[in-house]
Amino acid sequence: GAVVSQHPSRVICKSGTSVKIECRSLDFQATTMFWYRQFPKKSLMLMATSNEGSKATYEQGVEKDKFLINHASLTLSTLTVTSAHPEDSSFYICSASTGTSGYEQYFGPGTRLTVT
Amino acid sequence: DAKTTQPPSMDCAEGRAANLPCNHSTISGNEYVYWYRQIHSQGPQYIIHGLKNNETNEMASLIITEDRKSSTLILPHATLRDTAVYYCIVRVLNNDMRFGAGTRLTVKP
Repeated sequence: GAVVSQHPSRVICKSGTSVKIECRSLDFQATTMFWYRQFPKKSLMLMATSNEGSKATYEQGVEKDKFLINHASLTLSTLTVTSAHPEDSSFYICSASTGTSGYEQYFGPGTRLTVT
Repeated sequence: DAKTTQPPSMDCAEGRAANLPCNHSTISGNEYVYWYRQIHSQGPQYIIHGLKNNETNEMASLIITEDRKSSTLILPHATLRDTAVYYCIVRVLNNDMRFGAGTRLTVKP
């Protein structure tokens, strides 16, 4: 089946620094990628949707200047958390869709971000 | 996309069938029912999906009522590794996947 990877799996950074998380589709081309965040004991919350080669569409309440998303190729999307603060600590999960079959979204294993 | 309602938690004995219900009374004709699960600190895993017919795969069976207002995910022989949060999602094809609170299933020995 289709595999989505994320790197790193865990990251600890200091307040004020920026962190980049990569999401890769390993064996298929992803025309659309999605970024979610999940707080402890809570459900996944969609942050943004990105299509290859175009600007991401952010959900209401998600700051686009803080969470920079780049989807430069059909197999790679990146999420950069800029000027991170402790409240940005969360589990970040990406998913990818081919857009053709449409019904399947393949999820990555997630990245645990801790901001100290 | 239609909203779903699931019980917050359920228990199941190991080896028995786990039946997880989902209400989606406002589902529209072109919306599919999907089930995903999330084991602690991992990304969601696709289980099964359907439109109106019952579906079965190697992981589970999906039973959708005739009026499509509710569905049941059946894990025929639950194991301890099936302990997870199970999400029922309804969506139109090609729309993004939006998660509700899900059902926390605990399989007990």
